[in-house]
Amino acid sequence: DQQVKQNSPSLSVQEGRISILNCDYTNSMFDYFLWYKKYPAEGPTFLISISSIKDKNEDGRFTVFLNKSAKHLSLHIVPSQPGDSAVYFCAASSGGGADGLTFGKGTHLIIQP
Amino acid sequence: DVKVTQSSRYLVKRTGEKVFLECVQDMDHENMFWYRQDPGLGLRLIYFSYDVKMKEKGDIPEGYSVSREKKERFSLILESASTNQTSMYLCASSLVSGGPQETQYFGPGTRLLVL
Repeated sequence: DQQVKQNSPSLSVQEGRISILNCDYTNSMFDYFLWYKKYPAEGPTFLISISSIKDKNEDGRFTVFLNKSAKHLSLHIVPSQPGDSAVYFCAASSGGGADGLTFGKGTHLIIQP
Repeated sequence: DVKVTQSSRYLVKRTGEKVFLECVQDMDHENMFWYRQDPGLGLRLIYFSYDVKMKEKGDIPEGYSVSREKKERFSLILESASTNQTSMYLCASSLVSGGPQETQYFGPGTRLLVL
């Protein structure tokens, strides 16, 4: 039973355009969401997070939107740059316990020149 | 700056060998985690620890054990390595549970090949 779903295994976007990565979740107890970026042969790097009390969080070129009623979040990257090519993982937590994060399977973002 | 290190970047072992993967964090974090990453499966939690000498099973603990004798160090042990344990192993740590402080910081990973 996959509680965090990233339905697009890969996404190709032209440099300078907007990249939109999507994530859906099923567990209504999740109250904290994170995005990680991972290059090959490296550990994931924390990118941006959002608490369930917010619907938007912005950090430079990265914005995360949360729609609680739809149990959906998205990561927007504007403008997309070649260095953004990586695998992006969505993760969620129900807090209140050190039981780790639940990760999606990842979306491979490819930025084309 | 957050720092999580793992003892090896690449490791090759034979079936049946006992394998130790070490992870050290220098941020005084309470929680530490071991994941494995496989193509098409994302990151799956093996074990985690929220305190010294404490451990909890994650989603896929079979064939693994862990040890946390000191706060900064969390070891993953493959008692008898098998070929289906060939994978990328990732260690992570977080300060506390709940909210922004729960953000996990990852090490560079250990790519293990079991022959």
